[in-house]
Amino acid sequence: QQQVKQSPQSLIVQKGGIPIINCAYENTAFDYFPWYQQFPGKGPALLIAIRPDVSEKKEGRFTISFNKSAKQFSLHIMDSQPGDSATYFCAASIGGYSTLTFGKGTMLLVSP
Amino acid sequence: DTEVTQTPKHLVMGMTNKKSLKCEQHMGHRAMYWYKQKAKKPPELMFVYSYEKLSINESVPSRFSPECPNSSLLNLHLHALQPEDSALYLCASSQPRGDESNTEAFFGQGTRLTVV
Repeated sequence: QQQVKQSPQSLIVQKGGIPIINCAYENTAFDYFPWYQQFPGKGPALLIAIRPDVSEKKEGRFTISFNKSAKQFSLHIMDSQPGDSATYFCAASIGGYSTLTFGKGTMLLVSP
Repeated sequence: DTEVTQTPKHLVMGMTNKKSLKCEQHMGHRAMYWYKQKAKKPPELMFVYSYEKLSINESVPSRFSPECPNSSLLNLHLHALQPEDSALYLCASSQPRGDESNTEAFFGQGTRLTVV
């Protein structure tokens, strides 16, 4: 049973566009929602994270929108650049440890 | 320093070999994790150590044996692996969560393991 559903599976945008990646979760006990960026052959790197008491969080060009009632959250990348081309994973965890449940990932390609 | 260092970066081993993967962090984190990642898939949790004690074992086969010698080091001992165990093995660390604990998990670059 997949506890975090992520879409789309892949995404192509032009430079300067705003890709949006969506995630939905089922377990209401989740209380921490990070996004990771992974380049080929590298480990995932934390981009930004949010807790359910906040509806939006911005860090640089990255924004998380969180809808607790709908159990959904999304990542927006403003003014996307070719260097943003990577696989993006949403994740969720429950208190105690950062034992992350990941979405299936979105391969983003930003064309020049 | 937010670095988690994994060695080796690449490992090729036969099914009868014994090898070890190593992970080190100096962020003072007291929780360390092993994840397994197959190509084009998300990382999957294998083990969690908290304060050097094994806290979570996600029903991982016994041919994978974790060890946490101290608060900075985490090892994964491999024995009699199968070709399907070929994957990227990721180590991560974080603080165990308290009321206001920083819960971010930092990942290493991984060890690319190929079992032949």
